[in-house]
Amino acid sequence: SAVISQKPSRDICQRGTSLTIQCQVDSQVTMMFWYRQQPGQSLTLIATANQGSEATYESGFVIDKFPISRPNLTFSTLTVSNMSPEDSSIYLCSVEPRNEQFFGPGTRLTVL
Amino acid sequence: GIQVEQSPPDLILQEGANSTLRCNFSDSVNNLQWFHQNPWGQLINLFYIPSGTKQNGRLSATTVATERYSLLYISSSQTTDSGVYFCAVELDTDKLIFGTGTRLQVFP
Repeated sequence: SAVISQKPSRDICQRGTSLTIQCQVDSQVTMMFWYRQQPGQSLTLIATANQGSEATYESGFVIDKFPISRPNLTFSTLTVSNMSPEDSSIYLCSVEPRNEQFFGPGTRLTVL
Repeated sequence: GIQVEQSPPDLILQEGANSTLRCNFSDSVNNLQWFHQNPWGQLINLFYIPSGTKQNGRLSATTVATERYSLLYISSSQTTDSGVYFCAVELDTDKLIFGTGTRLQVFP
């Protein structure tokens, strides 16, 4: 398994601002994943972050809106830029050390 | 793209009852996982089950990959079982595609 922590656990932000979410895992992993869960909805993959290369974004998500960093094999950040109320969601990171994916506790974001 | 549908969307049970949750997927998959999302939003791994049957306490799961479905059984339900249950399938890219979810409420 893997132990994953995220910061912050929750935040309330004003529209037009940006928030950076941190994800730390207790072991080295090749890929880290970022998901979004809008209120009452299922989870949707935003992007896959590999160390040493640009993140790969899913359809509907762009780097200008969700820039990602992956400076080493245990850490990644996701920034939600120029926020609007529609960005209010839970953001989760995950890793897959061996076939099975494990998720962090999530960051609950509210944009006013 | 692949479609992952879960049924029922909502389920209300009294403590002690049994239930079966279903996950249908529209294409061949490499892996399948079941998760429980508790009321605080935490996703808890229940089963990694690309095929066959597994049991863990009051929970068990069966995946029939050739027929593209998986079932999650909950026996003797408890109030702590409340939350949303997701299945998620993995294609050949390590990316998980989540199902639509089943919201379970267990009342004493």
